[in-house]
Amino acid sequence: AQTVTQSQPEMSVQEAETVTLSCTYDTSESDYYLFWYKQPPSRQMILVIRQEAYKQQNATENRFSVNFQKAAKSFSLKISDSQLGDAAMYFCAYRRPGTASKLTFGTGTRLQVTL
Amino acid sequence: GAGVSQTPSNKVTEKGKYVELRCDPISGHTALYWYRQSLGQGPEFLIYFQGTGAADDSGLPNDRFFAVRPEGSVSTLKIQRTERGDSAVYLCASSLSSGSISTEAFFGQGTRLTVV
Repeated sequence: AQTVTQSQPEMSVQEAETVTLSCTYDTSESDYYLFWYKQPPSRQMILVIRQEAYKQQNATENRFSVNFQKAAKSFSLKISDSQLGDAAMYFCAYRRPGTASKLTFGTGTRLQVTL
Repeated sequence: GAGVSQTPSNKVTEKGKYVELRCDPISGHTALYWYRQSLGQGPEFLIYFQGTGAADDSGLPNDRFFAVRPEGSVSTLKIQRTERGDSAVYLCASSLSSGSISTEAFFGQGTRLTVV
């Protein structure tokens, strides 16, 4: 079974600064997908960024980028130029390819953004 | 609809009662997922529908939990003889049927169930 571990329950960053959230996972599969989701107080999970395991190039979406280290099974999220609206819970998630494939989530990291 | 809609937003029920939680997915999405998110945890998979049939119900914790999707659109999660441990946020997500990475799962805002 796949597991996803987020070892930072809480992180804090000052506005306009950069922060990195950590995620490690365990799988015996060679092909899979990794995701970062944001969950604001509204509870709705919002996709931030996604990465295919067979792509060596790290994914980037505007101020959000990942550092994907397949051999180390590490998938960290970097948020640049942090904004107050970035404050939320962030969840790392794993999914196998295929139509009947659910997401396996980590326990989350609460990000605070201070002035 | 424009997004995944879940009703009610909040539900308080007494221990031992029966509850139904509703999910209205995005129109045209054939895949539908239910997740349960306990306090301080990430969402945990409960069940997955492809069309009208449950393709994977391995996450349902016991036989008190049941879900249906009779017409391949709206789904209802049913919990019998509720227990205080069932208190959680129940999230629903829908997506197109393709399993590629570009197939995004869209989540609703969840139903917060409190069993007293």
